[in-house]
Order: sequence, then structure tokens, then C-alpha cells
Amino acid sequence: ELKVEQNPLFLSMQEGKNYTIYCNYSTTSDRLYWYRQDPGKSLESLFVLLSNGAVKQEGRLMASLDTKARLSTLHITAAVHDLSATYFCAAGINTDKLIFGTGTRLQVFP
Amino acid sequence: EAQVTQNPRYLITVTGKKLTVTCSQNMNHEYMSWYRQDPGLGLRQIYYSMNVEVTDKGDVPEGYKVSRKEKRNFPLILESPSPNQTSLYFCASRRDNTDTQYFGPGTRLTVL
Repeated sequence: ELKVEQNPLFLSMQEGKNYTIYCNYSTTSDRLYWYRQDPGKSLESLFVLLSNGAVKQEGRLMASLDTKARLSTLHITAAVHDLSATYFCAAGINTDKLIFGTGTRLQVFP
Repeated sequence: EAQVTQNPRYLITVTGKKLTVTCSQNMNHEYMSWYRQDPGLGLRQIYYSMNVEVTDKGDVPEGYKVSRKEKRNFPLILESPSPNQTSLYFCASRRDNTDTQYFGPGTRLTVL
């Protein structure tokens, strides 16, 4: 049974600092997703990682995938307040079934 | 505008009173899915559909039904709601053979 764990659950960080959110999954998965959710809003797709060693970057966010370690990371560079949100990773059993992590609530303060 | 819509956005009901939450997309997507979001549990998949008349169970299908009679619509039916179905529900869709899902705005359901 595929399980997905994210850590940390909560992250309070100062503007300008770097940090990483970790996403571990328990069994083989052929794709890994990252989503962002603003308070009271829906989910927005950030990244899809499909192969070992895949790296994708958008602005201050960079996601990577290590399928051998069953680990994906979301790295935040020089955080700004606008990045405050909850970030979810999700692993796919196939393209149809997704298992989500519990989310990381990120708060960036001045 | 390309979008996924859900109705109603908020609903308070009582135990046992049948209800339907509608989901509609205007992007001609083949795949649609329902999730529920609960604090500390992330999102959990309820049902998904690969195309018209093709549906399958997700992780937490108990107490829910779905149908896919038209490509654009994927209603979620609670035949006899119970308080443990109080949650925030999201519908999502994507084109077949792609990975980017588009989520609806969410429906907050409270069952008393």
C-alpha cells in the first residue's frame, strides 16, 4: 500500500532564507506531484516529476525526485511572503490514483 | 474561461438526507476525480473516472456514489450522509495522457 509522508508539517521561516520540504513515499511510484494551496482556496499544480533525477524549477521553488530513495524535495530559495501557503506532494500509483501527503504549512515572515 | 465548477459551494444538511454535489468542466477532459480534504489528513481520493461510463474507487469510496453520464459532469452522491462525511470536497479534471490536474473551488459540507 502506497503511503506518502511529508515533513515538516509546519514551517515558519524568515524572508530571504532557504529551506527544504521533504516527501517520502513507501512503495514504487511512477510519478510525483507538488501542489500549492492558499488559505481558503483550491489547489494549484506546481510540478510533475516523472523520472529518477528529474528536477524542475519555477521562480524560487525547485522540485527534485530520487526514485531509488523514494524521496522528493521542494526547495525554497530566498523565501518571500508570497510563498506562504500549504504545499502538498502526491505520489501516483498510476496516472489515475493519487495518494497525497498531509501537507506542509509554510509561513514566511519579514 | 477554462474551469472546473462545483455546486453548491457550502452546504449544511442533516444525517440521512440524500444530497448531490455537482462538478462540471468545460475543457473536454476525459479524467475527473473527487477528493475530500480533512485537517491533518491531506487529500484523499474518493472516486475517479477515466471517461464516460467508466468509474473506479479511490482510497475512501465508502458512503459515496458517482456517475459519469456525460463527459463534462461528474456528480458526487451521498445517499445517506453521516457526520463523518463533514469535509471539504474537491473535484478535479485533466486531459487523458497528461498529468496536470485542474481543481474546482471546493464544496464545504457539514452533516449534522
